[in-house]
Amino acid sequence: NAGVTQTPKFRILKIGQSMTLQCAQDMNHNYMYWYRQDPGMGLKLIYYSVGAGITDKGEVPNGYNVSRSTTEDFPLRLELAAPSQTSVYFCASSYSPGTGETQYFGPGTRLLVL
Amino acid sequence: KQEVTQIPAALSVPEGENLVLNCSFTDSAIYNLQWFRQDPGKGLTSLLLIQSSQREQTSGRLNASLDKSSGRSTLYIAASQPGDSATYLCAGSLFNTDKLIFGTGTRLQVFP
Repeated sequence: NAGVTQTPKFRILKIGQSMTLQCAQDMNHNYMYWYRQDPGMGLKLIYYSVGAGITDKGEVPNGYNVSRSTTEDFPLRLELAAPSQTSVYFCASSYSPGTGETQYFGPGTRLLVL
Repeated sequence: KQEVTQIPAALSVPEGENLVLNCSFTDSAIYNLQWFRQDPGKGLTSLLLIQSSQREQTSGRLNASLDKSSGRSTLYIAASQPGDSATYLCAGSLFNTDKLIFGTGTRLQVFP
């Protein structure tokens, strides 16, 4: 299994540009998550999904959108990039809550907005 | 609002030392607690998961405990090695939710 994969690994955007961060998992997990990690900080939840067609906001959703058309994929969309969105973005997946299983993380996408 | 504090923020020790990393929550209603390791430029790797009915977990030289009454967790690393150098993050989930709330991490450096 490849686990959780993310593309691209690194991207530079100009203010106002848009982009989609890709995330895929091959573990047939129902739950998927997007986090951002600012320098020296912990991870903050942006959006999450409990299954195909179902998404919900996390702690810091402003400026982002998500969709979940399949179990495997959970892309994160930035419509109008701002310098405050400079961060490292992590995607994660898990089977379901309450099972005691951990979340599995991708390697991250480093985004720089100038 | 649940907040998670990790102490110390950074730690530099010679190899062979036994280490204690601390994690505390403002709201002690933690369901599951996990400790993760993060290497520079990499994603997170789960080290230990303490489920709601448990008080501690052990894996090799690592031992994690959870005191729900105080909202505190401790990660104990025995006989530290240079390969243990990384950032260690604790994260808790509230009842019946898989949403994790992360601490800010402890950056550990173990030198030969």
